[in-house]
Amino acid sequence: SQTIHQWPATLVQPVGSPLSLECTVEGTSNPNLYWYRQAAGRGLQLLFYSVGIGQISSEVPQNLSASRPQDRQFILSSKKLLLSDSGFYLCAWTMDRGELFFGEGSRLTVL
Amino acid sequence: RKEVEQDPGPFNVPEGATVAFNCTYSNSASQSFFWYRQDCRKEPKLLMSVYSSGNEDGRFTAQLNRASQYISLLIRDSKLSDSATYLCAGYSGYSTLTFGKGTMLLVSP
Repeated sequence: SQTIHQWPATLVQPVGSPLSLECTVEGTSNPNLYWYRQAAGRGLQLLFYSVGIGQISSEVPQNLSASRPQDRQFILSSKKLLLSDSGFYLCAWTMDRGELFFGEGSRLTVL
Repeated sequence: RKEVEQDPGPFNVPEGATVAFNCTYSNSASQSFFWYRQDCRKEPKLLMSVYSSGNEDGRFTAQLNRASQYISLLIRDSKLSDSATYLCAGYSGYSTLTFGKGTMLLVSP
C-alpha cells in the first residue's frame, strides 16, 4: 500500500531564517505531488505541484520554492521566512482522478 | 466568486440526528468531487469520492447536482466521533484539486 511521510511535524523558526520541509511517498511510482498551506481559520491553499522529476508548477508567487529531486521526494524551501509564512503545510500525492492523500502535516510558527 | 464554497458552520446536532452539508462550485468543467474529513490540527482524510450522480458508504451519502452545481453530504445517525470539519473539493482535470474552506460539525450527547 502507498504511504506518505512528511517531516518535521512541528517547527518554530525566527523571521529571516531558512526553511526546508521534506515529503516522501512509498509504494507508488511517478505520483503527482503537491504542497498545500492551511493558515489559521482559512482554507487549503495550493502552493506547488509536480507531475514529474524536476517539473514544478507554482500557484502562488511568494518567497517559497519547491523541488523534486527524486520521483517520490518533494521538498518545500524558503531562504528567508516571513511572519506570514506561519501555517500548517501539507504534502499530498495522487495518481489519477484527483483523489489526494495527505501527509500528516508540518506546523510552522514563524516568530 | 470563489470556486468552491461551503457554509463554515458550525452545525450543532445531537447524537442520532441526520445532518446535510452543501457545497457549491463555479467551475462547470469540474469532473469529479470529493469530501474530506479533517480533525482539529490533523491532515484531511478522504471520506468519499463522487464521480457521477452520487455515492453511498454506510451512514454517509454524497450527491452531485451538475445542473445546479452543488454537491451534498448527508450523514445519518450522527455519532460523537463525526465531529470534525468537512472539506469539499472539485477536480477539473488540470492536476489540481480546489478546496472549500470547510464546514464544521459538532455532534453533542
